[in-house]
Amino acid sequence: GDSVTQMEGPVTLSEEAFLTINCTYTATGYPSLFWYVQYPGEGLQLLLKATKADDKGSNKGFEATYRKETTSFHLEKGSVQVSDSAVYFCALTPSSSASKIIFGSGTRLSIRP
Amino acid sequence: GAVVSQHPSRVICKSGTSVKIECRSLDFQATTMFWYRQFPKQSLMLMATSNEGSKATYEQGVEKDKFLINHASLTLSTLTVTSAHPEDSSFYICSATANTEAFFGQGTRLTVV
Repeated sequence: GDSVTQMEGPVTLSEEAFLTINCTYTATGYPSLFWYVQYPGEGLQLLLKATKADDKGSNKGFEATYRKETTSFHLEKGSVQVSDSAVYFCALTPSSSASKIIFGSGTRLSIRP
Repeated sequence: GAVVSQHPSRVICKSGTSVKIECRSLDFQATTMFWYRQFPKQSLMLMATSNEGSKATYEQGVEKDKFLINHASLTLSTLTVTSAHPEDSSFYICSATANTEAFFGQGTRLTVV
């Protein structure tokens, strides 16, 4: 079945460092891909999304490109801030069911001042 | 964006008792809500789809008699964990869709002792 695999955390970086969180997926057809973020004490929030191959989602300095050839959707940010500390989830919705979300296991990111 | 409120955020209960978790859409109507469960260091797993005015649809392997779902209005869905046992201890999250985007509650940490 469809699945999402993302790098295990926790990831700890210094402020202004470059961030990459890897995400790969397995799915039939053309799923939509998402990154969600969960800040401490809050619910999951949509960070960015891409709905077709080669699309780039971006928000708050974060970017991810939908790569069908490598079935990947890696999250990147050029210069992280302490406020980016959170748990990040990669996810997909299958092409057959737009309301069903399949999540990766989440990556906890901590940024040191 | 739309707001989904989940209550309580944490609950500790004795083995054998039942616990009710509420999920409310605060500024929109949700005919469908979703309940997820997350074990430590694992993905959020969809448990069931809650449909307003009708029976919930459960994912394979989820006991419908143990996890009772009621969606009596367009803004409220409840999940009741009946006769809870320590293995039911987990993080439960609800979501609802507005304008094709999923919005999540803050989650409920259930600990059964």
